[in-house]
Amino acid sequence: AQSVAQPEDQVNVAEGNPLTVKCTYSVSGNPYLFWYVQYPNRGLQFLLKYITGDNLVKGSYGFEAEFNKSQTSFHLKKPSALVSDSALYFCAVRDQGFKTIFGAGTRLFVKA
Amino acid sequence: DTAVSQTPKYLVTQMGNDKSIKCEQNLGHDTMYWYKQDSKKFLKIMFSYNNKELIINETVPNRFSPKSPDKAHLNLHINSLELGDSAVYFCASSQDGGANVLTFGAGSRLTVL
Repeated sequence: AQSVAQPEDQVNVAEGNPLTVKCTYSVSGNPYLFWYVQYPNRGLQFLLKYITGDNLVKGSYGFEAEFNKSQTSFHLKKPSALVSDSALYFCAVRDQGFKTIFGAGTRLFVKA
Repeated sequence: DTAVSQTPKYLVTQMGNDKSIKCEQNLGHDTMYWYKQDSKKFLKIMFSYNNKELIINETVPNRFSPKSPDKAHLNLHINSLELGDSAVYFCASSQDGGANVLTFGAGSRLTVL
């Protein structure tokens, strides 16, 4: 069965510093991997996805993620964090069908 | 124009009541979903419809009944509401295919007293 793990409940970074939000996955076959962001009292918004090809995927708002097949990881990164990046981030995996499974979420707190 | 819209946004009701949440998407997507987000923000898929056909039905009490009158609409009816049903319910849609992105509605916060 496919699954996604986000080992950190919360990540704290100072504004201007690089940030990393971790994600590992377990899936049979080729994974389709996603990152979504949720701001307070809002629905989830798509950030980026990995299907195939280049292991470094660039997405919205300056975010990028690195796919690592040997470590089954798909960590979200940003070179320089903004206070406005503070939100709840979800990693997700989708199989060849229609089911998208989400991780438990990681709360990112960026301090000014 | 809102891509995925849900109504109502907030719903407060008593235990034992029956309530419905409606969802509509104007993206022309073929697949629609209901997700439940609990108080710890954990997201769990409940149902999915593809062109009005039920394709995902997770382990959900049969008090929950989805209905898709057409591919642009997916409603959720809940009978005999319980305290544990309190959550935020999100509707989402996507095009066919495994790599397609989910577009979410803003959520419907259900509080059962």
